[in-house]
Parts: sequence; structure tokens; C-alpha cells
Amino acid sequence: QTVVTQEPSLTVSPGGTVTLTCASSSGAVTSDNFPNWFQQKPGLPPRALIYRTDNKHSWTPARFSGSFLGGKAALTLSGVQPEDEADYYCLINYYNAWFFGGGTKLTVL
Amino acid sequence: QVHLVQSGTEVKQSGASVKVSCQTSGYTFASYGVSWVRQAPGQGLEWVGWIGTGNGNTFYPQKLLGRVTVTTDASTSTVYMELKDLTSDDTAMYYCVRDWGYVPDFWGQGTLVTVSS
Repeated sequence: QTVVTQEPSLTVSPGGTVTLTCASSSGAVTSDNFPNWFQQKPGLPPRALIYRTDNKHSWTPARFSGSFLGGKAALTLSGVQPEDEADYYCLINYYNAWFFGGGTKLTVL
Repeated sequence: QVHLVQSGTEVKQSGASVKVSCQTSGYTFASYGVSWVRQAPGQGLEWVGWIGTGNGNTFYPQKLLGRVTVTTDASTSTVYMELKDLTSDDTAMYYCVRDWGYVPDFWGQGTLVTVSS
């Protein structure tokens, strides 16, 4: 059973840059795993940010970008805003089964 | 505009079943699959299943095989998720999500399912 691992927590200063990663126990994450990223704020459903590694939805702010980094999927926030404080989840696919990462709690301080 | 509207809060006894609905609108129902995702209190997200609304194909996680069933009613553009043999571990917020080609995008508002012993 695949386990997807994210940093439990990260802290970034306003205006700074931070990268969140998403690793798989089944090996390197690739485009065949169709990585997605979501943002979730307290009391709300998750909101889709990035799909298929590096594609933004129409509502995704330009400061969010997706990529691969050392065999992991990555989400980079550049020019972080206070409203970016939230939980972030990655999602990858193996043979029509979805696996979420445990989530990263991002603090903007 | 795309909307996914879910049914209301459910409280069930251990061993019972629950069926949650997700009524969709604003797009061509059969052109997009729908996934279900749950989130236990204070915990992360867990995929519960997927249905291809055009052909009825389904996929479920190994952990829930035999307990979860996702179905559709094309006449009302509604997707259902039924979970049986409930335990306290099934207490969670359940979300439906439109899913096209490995791209989950629009989420429902969530349905809280509480299982009491």
C-alpha cells in the first residue's frame, strides 16, 4: 500500500518563498502519477490549486507553481501572502487509486 | 457555474449503513467522473472511491472494498456514496469532488457522518 509523505509543518515569512514536497513509498513521483495539490482552510472544503504536476486552475494565484524536485512532486509559493496560511495536501494516482499525502500545515509568520 | 450540493448531516449507530448524495449542476453530468473523499476530525484527506458517470465504472481503495458503493442517477445528475457496517473510525466529513482525467476540481460542501456506539 502506497504511503505519501509531506512535511508536517513549515513556516515562512510574508513575501518569502517556500517549497512543499510530496514523496511516495512506491518510488519516484512522475507525471504518470498525475500530481495534484489542494489548499484547505479551517472549516472549509479543500480547494484545488495545481493539477497534473504544474497546471494551474483558472482561480489559482500566479504565486503558486508545481514541479518535480528530486523524485518528489513539489509546490512552490513565491511572494507568500498572509492568506496563504493553510493546510496543503498533495494527491497522486497509482493505477486508478488515489493517495493523499498527510498534509503540510503552512504558517505565515 | 459548477455546483456540487451534498445531503445533510447523518448520525448512525455502529453497524448501520449511510447513503450520502451529491447533486451536480452546471456541467454535462456524463462527461466528468466523481470521487468521494473523507476527512476524520482533525485528520487528513482519504480517498473513498470514484465513479465514471458516463459508463458506471468504479474504483475503490483496498481498505474499503466490500463496504463502499458509489452509484449514480443520471436523470437527476446525482451521485451517491453508500458505506455499510459503520464503525467509529468512519466518523468524518465526506466530500464529493468532480474529477475529470485525474483532475479533481470542484468540491461539494461536505456531509458530516457521525457514528456512535
